[in-house]
Amino acid sequence: EAGVTQSPTHLIKTRGQQATLRCSPISGHTSVYWYQQALGLGLQFLLWYDEGEERNRGNFPPRFSGRQFPNYSSELNVNALELEDSALYLCASSDRDSASPLHFGNGTRLTVT
Amino acid sequence: TQLLEQSPQFLSIQEGENLTVYCNSSSVFSSLQWYRQEPGEGPVLLVTVVTGGEVKKLKRLTFQFGDARKDSSLHITAAQPGDTGLYLCAAEPDSNYQLIWGAGTKLIIKP
Repeated sequence: EAGVTQSPTHLIKTRGQQATLRCSPISGHTSVYWYQQALGLGLQFLLWYDEGEERNRGNFPPRFSGRQFPNYSSELNVNALELEDSALYLCASSDRDSASPLHFGNGTRLTVT
Repeated sequence: TQLLEQSPQFLSIQEGENLTVYCNSSSVFSSLQWYRQEPGEGPVLLVTVVTGGEVKKLKRLTFQFGDARKDSSLHITAAQPGDTGLYLCAAEPDSNYQLIWGAGTKLIIKP
């Protein structure tokens, strides 16, 4: 069984640009979660999608947005990038609309210069 | 606001030593999970505890859920360099599905 896959693995952007991060969940999982992890510390919840709908949103500005496609894959878009957006962005999937257990991808390392 | 506090934030010990890390809150949770994250990878689920007082063992790792379901501990016996990583606890409140995460304990086991 293929795990959660994220692309790209690394992304370098300049301040003010836009970034698009992609995630493919484990086959059969309908829920996708996005997290931001800065400096190898704890996870900050960004977004939760299930069955194509946004179910919950963390305490992030509107320039962080996303969507879930009919095949349950997901995109995270970050507009008007700021230096402090530099972080590891992790995607996780689960097989029901509960938060547990989560299966994580290896993340996209976003660097904003 | 529900918070999960992990302690210590950072721990560096020699191979063979024992250690305990803690995950504490003032809130009651329906379940609590422990994850380990290695550099360059996403977190991987180690265990889920759901019953107050529950103890689960995973080889040299022992996980305990507090009787009141507000806290948890992870004890590692005879730590090995392969135990190195970031240990994260995450808890599911009774009232909703959204996981709450601790800030993590960065563990380094020196050979």
